[in-house]
Amino acid sequence: DTGVSQNPRHKITKRGQNVTFRCDPISEHNRLYWYRQTLGQGPEFLTYFQNEAQLEKSRLLSDRFSAERPKGSFSTLEIQRTEQGDSAMYLCASSPAGGFYGYTFGSGTRLTVV
Amino acid sequence: AQTVTQSQPEMSVQEAETVTLSCTYDTSESDYYLFWYKQPPSRQMILVIRQEAYKQQNATENRFSVNFQKAAKSFSLKISDSQLGDAAMYFCAYGLSELIFGQGTTLQVKP
Repeated sequence: DTGVSQNPRHKITKRGQNVTFRCDPISEHNRLYWYRQTLGQGPEFLTYFQNEAQLEKSRLLSDRFSAERPKGSFSTLEIQRTEQGDSAMYLCASSPAGGFYGYTFGSGTRLTVV
Repeated sequence: AQTVTQSQPEMSVQEAETVTLSCTYDTSESDYYLFWYKQPPSRQMILVIRQEAYKQQNATENRFSVNFQKAAKSFSLKISDSQLGDAAMYFCAYGLSELIFGQGTTLQVKP
């Protein structure tokens, strides 16, 4: 088990471009979460999946953001028409069903919009 | 609104000493879980300790323990025998599936 894997580690993009991030969770975990973290702050919830179903979306997740988890395995987070305010660390985490075990986080994808 | 407050942006402790990081939260739920996560510089978040809200007994993991006061909605983390490797940002969080995180406390450990 290699833990939660996120790619790419870093992404620099021009404002207005689309970007896509990938997350591969721990294989036995059926829950997958996306969070956004800006410098010096705690992670903010974006969305989560149980298997392939997207169960919850934050109001932070504007219509420029979309997430998928086809077949309940890896997940992608796409941001369309990026803005400078989208610059942040995007964290993926996974967990077994049931919240007590907490999350296992990936290393994150750092997005810089120039 | 559901919130988590970590009132200490920065804390400092001497190696081998004990330090306590504070956390308060606000929720109307009765059933939830509480966590402390550690985030070393430029490294991924690691789960330190967890607590079920319905359990009175405070959780302990080696040098880490919590003081959970449900009525006061307080969940502090005590680190005993602090080590240089404990230096990191520490986040308090609570929830059932979706977690709400605090703003973090940066812990410096002095040799």
